[in-house]
Amino acid sequence: SQQGEEDPQALSIQEGENATMNCSYKTSINNLQWYRQNSGRGLVHLILIRSNEREKHSGRLRVTLDTSKKSSSLLITASRAADTASYFCATDRGWGGAQKLVFGQGTRLTINP
Amino acid sequence: KAGVTQTPRYLIKTRGQQVTLSCSPISGHRSVSWYQQTPGQGLQFLFEYFSETQRNKGNFPGRFSGRQFSNSRSEMNVSTLELGDSALYLCASSLSPGTVQPQHFGDGTRLSIL
Repeated sequence: SQQGEEDPQALSIQEGENATMNCSYKTSINNLQWYRQNSGRGLVHLILIRSNEREKHSGRLRVTLDTSKKSSSLLITASRAADTASYFCATDRGWGGAQKLVFGQGTRLTINP
Repeated sequence: KAGVTQTPRYLIKTRGQQVTLSCSPISGHRSVSWYQQTPGQGLQFLFEYFSETQRNKGNFPGRFSGRQFSNSRSEMNVSTLELGDSALYLCASSLSPGTVQPQHFGDGTRLSIL
C-alpha cells in the first residue's frame, strides 16, 4: 500500500513560475526523500530530509517537513522546461536497519514555455 | 563513475514464461533494491539485498524472487508470468542499508506480457 499521497496529481504552470507539490504520509518516519522521474527513465534523487529537520534547500529546491501533520512540501522556484517530470515523495521507516522506500503516487509537473 | 545499469531495457514475454532481469549497482555500492512501477499501483518495493542476503521483502507472491552475487550485482526472476506483471522494473543501489541515504536508480527494464 502507498504510504504517501502527493497533491496535486498533476500541475501545469508557465516557465518562470514557482511550483509547489505536497506529500502526506500515514506513519512515523525516519526520513523523507523527494525524487524526480523523467518519462521512461529511472528516478533521480533530489533531497533527503530527516525527521528532526524542518526545512532543507538545494539550489532551486526547497523542502519542508512537518512531522506533526505528517506532511512535506517541495517547492521549485523559477521553473524551467527541463523541470517537466513526475515528482515522488518517499518515506523510509528503516525497519530493522533495512532500507525500504515507500513511494507516493507522484505529481506530474508540466512547465509550459 | 558509471550509474546503475539495468539489462535488458525492454523485454516482451508471453504468459506462463519466466524472465530474469539484471542490475549492476554503482561501483562500491553493496545494497541493491528492486521496485515495480505500474500506472495503477505506482512504485512498489519488491526486495532488498545486501551481502548476498535478502534483508527485506515486499508484498509480492513467491513467483518473484531475486539474488545478489558476491560482486553486488543482482538479478530478479519472475516465473509463470501473468499479464499483470507488465511493468517497469527499477533497480536502486546505495552504499549500505541501515543508514539514511539516497537510492540511486537505474533506468529500468520495461517488461511487457502478451
